[in-house]
Amino acid sequence: GNSVTQMEGPVTLSEEAFLTINCTYTATGYPSLFWYVQYPGEGLQLLLKATKADDKGSNKGFEATYRKETTSFHLEKGSVQVSDSAVYFCALHPSNAGGTSYGKLTFGQGTILTVHP
Amino acid sequence: EAGVAQSPRYKIIEKRQSVAFWCNPISGHATLYWYQQILGQGPKLLIQFQNNGVVDDSQLPKDRFSAERLKGVDSTLKIQPAKLEDSAVYLCASSQSLYLTNEKLFFGSGTQLSVL
Repeated sequence: GNSVTQMEGPVTLSEEAFLTINCTYTATGYPSLFWYVQYPGEGLQLLLKATKADDKGSNKGFEATYRKETTSFHLEKGSVQVSDSAVYFCALHPSNAGGTSYGKLTFGQGTILTVHP
Repeated sequence: EAGVAQSPRYKIIEKRQSVAFWCNPISGHATLYWYQQILGQGPKLLIQFQNNGVVDDSQLPKDRFSAERLKGVDSTLKIQPAKLEDSAVYLCASSQSLYLTNEKLFFGSGTQLSVL
């Protein structure tokens, strides 16, 4: 079955530090890959996505590149801010889903990021 | 544009009691999902509706959980009787269709359930 594995957390950084959160996946075919973010007290929000190999998703200074050869979709940001403190989830949507597989997102366990001033 | 509305925000019950959660999706969204998020884990899909029909409920513990979306708009999720392991955040989400490669999924803030 499909699965997503994220790096162990929590991650604590100082403001302006470089961020990497690792994500690897197991799936057949070419799934679409997503990063969702959950700020304290809020629902999950889509941060970025990539739908095919070598695509780079980007938003709000965050980037992730879909690497088929390493089945990875690592999240990066060059300079984090205190406001980036949140929980980050990597997720996948199956390719060639068909039938009842459409709409089924598989999430990783989440990585808590805390950024200090 | 109003977001996905959920209520209540918090609920505390004792084991073996029943509880119900309500969700109103974004207007016009045909697809509605209920996810369970246990502390320290990612959300797990319980059930998805397309309009008022169930698309997939394979992960729903049907001996105690039930969900309905009678008019194809808002939805309720019920647990009866609750167990300690049901303590989690229950997230409702909606999208215009099932095709999430091209669609965006919108989440509500969730209902945090504590079973004592």
